[in-house]
Amino acid sequence: DIQLTQSPSTLSASVGDRVTITCRASQNINTYLAWYQQKPGKAPKLLIYKASRLETGVPSRFSGSGSGTEFVLTINGLQPDDFATYHCHQYNNYWWTFGQGTKVEIK
Amino acid sequence: DVHLVESGGGLGQPGGSLRLSCAASGFNFDDHEMNWVRQAPGKGLEWVSYISSSGSNTYYSDSVKGRFTISRDNAKNSLYLQMHSLRVEDTAIYYCARTDVVDAVPDSWGQGTLVTVSS
Repeated sequence: DIQLTQSPSTLSASVGDRVTITCRASQNINTYLAWYQQKPGKAPKLLIYKASRLETGVPSRFSGSGSGTEFVLTINGLQPDDFATYHCHQYNNYWWTFGQGTKVEIK
Repeated sequence: DVHLVESGGGLGQPGGSLRLSCAASGFNFDDHEMNWVRQAPGKGLEWVSYISSSGSNTYYSDSVKGRFTISRDNAKNSLYLQMHSLRVEDTAIYYCARTDVVDAVPDSWGQGTLVTVSS
């Protein structure tokens, strides 16, 4: 299985901050990497797919980059609605895996 | 609008069985591959199973292989997960997730159904 390691596990930030979350894959996954936002009691919501493509309707303050084994999710200008848990996900093959999640908390 | 609604969760006994359903609407169900993904309380997401759009191909995670069976009924726009030999560690919220036809990414998820395995 392809392992995904997210860092940090928890991140404390303030409204307006620039936030970056890293996801490292245990092997090359090209750009088959997605990012999800999840709020308590809710299903994951797709933000970014193919490493850098913004899902329709997602604010442009979210961006993704990377390829191969290293990927980054950036939130430029954190908003109150962005405090949530973020998951990376690889879909390079049928045996999907997810990162362990990064919780973005209010500082 | 895409709508996925899971049902069938509840309390199951260790060694027992449960059948989950996912009702799809708002899109051409038989065009899309589908998956089940679960999330144990306070934990991350874990892929469980995949089924092709026609139902002819299926894959399972090692943790459920031989115990769970994924199926679909395209005439009823429904996805299923038959769960046997339940274990305490199967306790989780189970989500059905639609795979985008072009980009192969899970783009829509249901709200989930909670399965609790306990004696």
